[in-house]
Amino acid sequence: DSGVTQTPKHLITATGQRVTLRCSPRSGDLSVYWYQQSLDQGLQFLIQYYNGEERAKGNILERFSAQQFPDLHSELNLSSLELGDSALYFCASSVGLAANTGELFFGEGSRLTVL
Amino acid sequence: QQQVKQSPQSLIVQKGGISIINCAYENTAFDYFPWYQQFPGKGPALLIAIRPDVSEKKEGRFTISFNKSAKQFSLHIMDSQPGDSATYFCAASTGRLSGSARQLTFGSGTQLTVLP
Repeated sequence: DSGVTQTPKHLITATGQRVTLRCSPRSGDLSVYWYQQSLDQGLQFLIQYYNGEERAKGNILERFSAQQFPDLHSELNLSSLELGDSALYFCASSVGLAANTGELFFGEGSRLTVL
Repeated sequence: QQQVKQSPQSLIVQKGGISIINCAYENTAFDYFPWYQQFPGKGPALLIAIRPDVSEKKEGRFTISFNKSAKQFSLHIMDSQPGDSATYFCAASTGRLSGSARQLTFGSGTQLTVLP
């Protein structure tokens, strides 16, 4: 158990809909990362938050947005869903500047199926 | 520049054999090279990592070999076991860009199957 909690584990929805994925990082971790994993694209970095602030953006679509709340949990919002958005979405967390080992701790992912 | 290229895409090895997975990178700012292991239905988990000031790191049956001049690194799994069957991702990162926690760029993954 990595200590990172993601909900929901599975989600089935229709095209055009909007969903929210939630992530609770490990206790004490200030950084939260979102990754998308699909069969043909591997693990693609979407976005990173550090202590509530956006720190880096990867290949995140404009239809997607995220935020990190004061209690450090994070949400990834996916809107106007398309079939191609079907994937596993992983949240990961890491310690901040104080003890930067470089290790990310991943949750078990949220599997999104868009029909 | 941020890409990490991984090969092979899939690998089948007999029990007791050696599994070798290779990765190459372009960005010379990368200064941390971890390998992650992912079992079906689980998130990736750190297996072993190396920094470019050493050429090899060994932890049990797992060894990373690092060639800084060639910008390549590889994972060797000695005495491969069926329980090692998983997807392996190499990755690289630099902490210099954001000033905060590191961002990882992952390779495309290698699905390893170890036959009993």
